[in-house]
Amino acid sequence: GNSVTQMEGPVTLSEEAFLTINCTYTATGYPSLFWYVQYPGEGLQLLLKATKADDKGSNKGFEATYRKETTSFHLEKGSVQVSDSAVYFCALSDWGGSNYKLTFGKGTLLTVNP
Amino acid sequence: GAGVSQSPSNKVTEKGKDVELRCDPISGHTALYWYRQSLGQGLEFLIYFQGNSAPDKSGLPSDRFSAERTGGSVSTLTIQRTQQEDSAVYLCASSESAAGVNEQYFGPGTRLTVT
Repeated sequence: GNSVTQMEGPVTLSEEAFLTINCTYTATGYPSLFWYVQYPGEGLQLLLKATKADDKGSNKGFEATYRKETTSFHLEKGSVQVSDSAVYFCALSDWGGSNYKLTFGKGTLLTVNP
Repeated sequence: GAGVSQSPSNKVTEKGKDVELRCDPISGHTALYWYRQSLGQGLEFLIYFQGNSAPDKSGLPSDRFSAERTGGSVSTLTIQRTQQEDSAVYLCASSESAAGVNEQYFGPGTRLTVT
């Protein structure tokens, strides 16, 4: 079956620090990969996505590259801000016989201090 | 435009009671998903609807859980004889279709507490 493993948090950084959140996956097919973000008190929002190998998804200064050879989709940002404090979820979407349901990692809580 | 809406935002119920959770998807979205977010299990798929096709119920944890989607739009998730382990945030998502990978847009969720 499909699964997603992401680094456990919490992660605490100072403003302007470099961020990496690791994510690896197992899939039976050829999945699309996503990072979702959940800001405090808000719903899940799509942050970025990549649909094929070597694609790089990017948004709001965050980037992640689909690495088929290492089955990874690590999230990076060069300089985090206090407003980036949130829970980040890595996810994959693969054809499951009837639909493209999302399989999520357990989430990583990021706290950025001023 | 309006996003996915869910009601109620919070629900506290006594063990053994039935609850109904409602989801209004984005207008025109034919695919609708229910997920559950709990401390122990993370985010789990529950059930999926696409148009008039039979739903994919493969993620429902027990036969106490059921869902329907009326008129291809609003969906209701029903939990019968609630148990404490049902306490979680129930998330609804919709997408344009399931033909190809389309972005799923999530609602704010319903936080269910079973006492």
